[in-house]
Amino acid sequence: SQELEQSPQSLIVQEGKNLTINCTSSKTLYGLYWYKQKYGEGLIFLMMLQKGGEEKSHEKITAKLDEKKQQSSLHITASQPSHAGIYLCGAGYGGATNKLIFGTGTLLAVQP
Amino acid sequence: DAGITQSPRHKVTETGTPVTLRCHQTENHRYMYWYRQDPGHGLRLIHYSYGVKDTDKGEVSDGYSVSRSKTEDFLLTLESATSSQTSVYFCAISQGQGDEKLFFGSGTQLSVL
Repeated sequence: SQELEQSPQSLIVQEGKNLTINCTSSKTLYGLYWYKQKYGEGLIFLMMLQKGGEEKSHEKITAKLDEKKQQSSLHITASQPSHAGIYLCGAGYGGATNKLIFGTGTLLAVQP
Repeated sequence: DAGITQSPRHKVTETGTPVTLRCHQTENHRYMYWYRQDPGHGLRLIHYSYGVKDTDKGEVSDGYSVSRSKTEDFLLTLESATSSQTSVYFCAISQGQGDEKLFFGSGTQLSVL
């Protein structure tokens, strides 16, 4: 779906460096979800943001949803090899259907 | 981990043959989903279910059908598999009621030759 755009598509960073992944929606988000996927595995839920301006952190990962609820960023501080994988944002656009649309993903590699 | 089991985990089949993938959950969640994941496209929703015998189409439903006769099982059927349906298929579940957080299965790698 082109409703959600992620950038960059791929990213290589040195261990210890900070990085940011962006997720932009073409319309107002009802909820924004971040997932991580390791190669050959299913998706693991990271965080959910629902309110404009909301920010959540878990260990060294911080996610924010902007005030207009059309963009989210995922920031990793002091990256580690364990952070490597594919990060996907998923968006709910409200209604009674409870379905999520996903972005195309960002492939992160962390070099030791 | 959420109790979601996908079967089979891997399958190789020939063009034109029917294929059924199974998703089984032990969480009693109301919503179940089938996604496919392809390079450059991310995850795309095929079909979803919001209750027993209640299903609806997603973004890429052509060539696929689904059935949900029990809360715990959601089947995805490719009536006549094509090479374009070679993909990794993921099942997901959610509680609903305003919480769209999905829990995913481990995926099924399907190759159509």
